[in-house]
Amino acid sequence: QQQVKQSPQSLIVQKGGISIINCAYENTAFDYFPWYQQFPGKGPALLIAIRPDVSEKKEGRFTISFNKSAKQFSLHIMDSQPGDSATYFCAASINTGTASKLTFGTGTRLQVTL
Amino acid sequence: ETGVTQTPRHLVMGMTNKKSLKCEQHLGHNAMYWYKQSAKKPLELMFVYSLEERVENNSVPSRFSPECPNSSHLFLHLHTLQPEDSALYLCASSLRTGGNYGYTFGSGTRLTVV
Repeated sequence: QQQVKQSPQSLIVQKGGISIINCAYENTAFDYFPWYQQFPGKGPALLIAIRPDVSEKKEGRFTISFNKSAKQFSLHIMDSQPGDSATYFCAASINTGTASKLTFGTGTRLQVTL
Repeated sequence: ETGVTQTPRHLVMGMTNKKSLKCEQHLGHNAMYWYKQSAKKPLELMFVYSLEERVENNSVPSRFSPECPNSSHLFLHLHTLQPEDSALYLCASSLRTGGNYGYTFGSGTRLTVV
């Protein structure tokens, strides 16, 4: 079963705080783990991504931590800002040779308060 | 704009109507996808096209009919839909192989079936 489980469903964080979103997967054939950010009225946009041979990737205030043995990965948003308020989706990809196929988590609605 | 353009942005149709959704990308991608996004559900992969050939149909009802005339254009033809088909329909594109598996999404078509 190609599933990606995401938690929490919603998250409220104060400005300047750390937002943490967790995901777990089952299929060890997944070879690429992106995070997407979606604002209302827009499609998801690629935020940051990691491959399973790396344990951590940082881009600005956004960090992915990856635990291959536990089949878990998480997104950390440091110094969270009101502009980060959006829905975040983790995903996992398999490249079939003809196309890459993404399986998404259910999403986390993040609200950053002043 | 992300480079993937979807039209129309909003569509209201009756259960007996026939309509089409259009997606266009000029990113040089050679794989295109249709996803369905419903409230409180993961994004559901509907169809995958690679080099204009359908490579996956994820058990989608026949009232949804995709068409990919070339690598830049993707259509979703709709007929005799049900109210539960109301959702945001997202088009995405990617490179079919290679190091970057990230998808680029359009802003979606918000479909309401009445």
